[in-house]
Amino acid sequence: EAQVTQNPRYLITVTGKKLTVTCSQNMNHEYMSWYRQDPGLGLRQIYYSMNVEVTDKGDVPEGYKVSRKEKRNFPLILESPSPNQTSLYFCASSPVRTGGGQTQYFGPGTRLLVL
Amino acid sequence: QQQVKQSPQSLIVQKGGIPIINCAYENTAFDYFPWYQQFPGKGPALLIAIRPDVSEKKEGRFTISFNKSAKQFSLHIMDSQPGDSATYFCAASRRVTNKLIFGTGTLLAVQP
Repeated sequence: EAQVTQNPRYLITVTGKKLTVTCSQNMNHEYMSWYRQDPGLGLRQIYYSMNVEVTDKGDVPEGYKVSRKEKRNFPLILESPSPNQTSLYFCASSPVRTGGGQTQYFGPGTRLLVL
Repeated sequence: QQQVKQSPQSLIVQKGGIPIINCAYENTAFDYFPWYQQFPGKGPALLIAIRPDVSEKKEGRFTISFNKSAKQFSLHIMDSQPGDSATYFCAASRRVTNKLIFGTGTLLAVQP
């Protein structure tokens, strides 16, 4: 089944304790992206990657890191989480084709609480 | 210029009604306008999308109306059903970038 998977689905942590949220897709997509979803703010892009070893900042990158060592994986790293990073996180992927406008496929989400 | 403004924030309709969700954008370089549907506990999923060379696109009970001169687009759901209860996000993009700018979302409840 074509899908984007994220782990963990739920995470409670404390301020300053490094954590990683994994994202994997099995559709051979070049483009991957991380979003955070907050009430009243919609979905905001954190980081994105157009292909392996190519990553760039989105609209709200502060406090986050990413890496893209393999095409299928795009982990999100919070090196020193703070309470304002409490949110619902989504990973997404899409193909990159001439003409653009490709569908983005979202994972099921990771709900993070930072105490 | 990067914002997409979405309204209303929430909407309640009776079964069979026609909810309408509106979005407006500023950046005239946007050339792809998708709508995503999100059920509780799930990630958003593409519902329908339009490009600015057409004024309307229909897929089943879902219709996008697009007004290029006003820089507005809207989603209409015909004969709405309780199963349509979800959060709806409009988005805008420049196709060459793959980057989506999302609206703030509309929580729709369709009452039986």
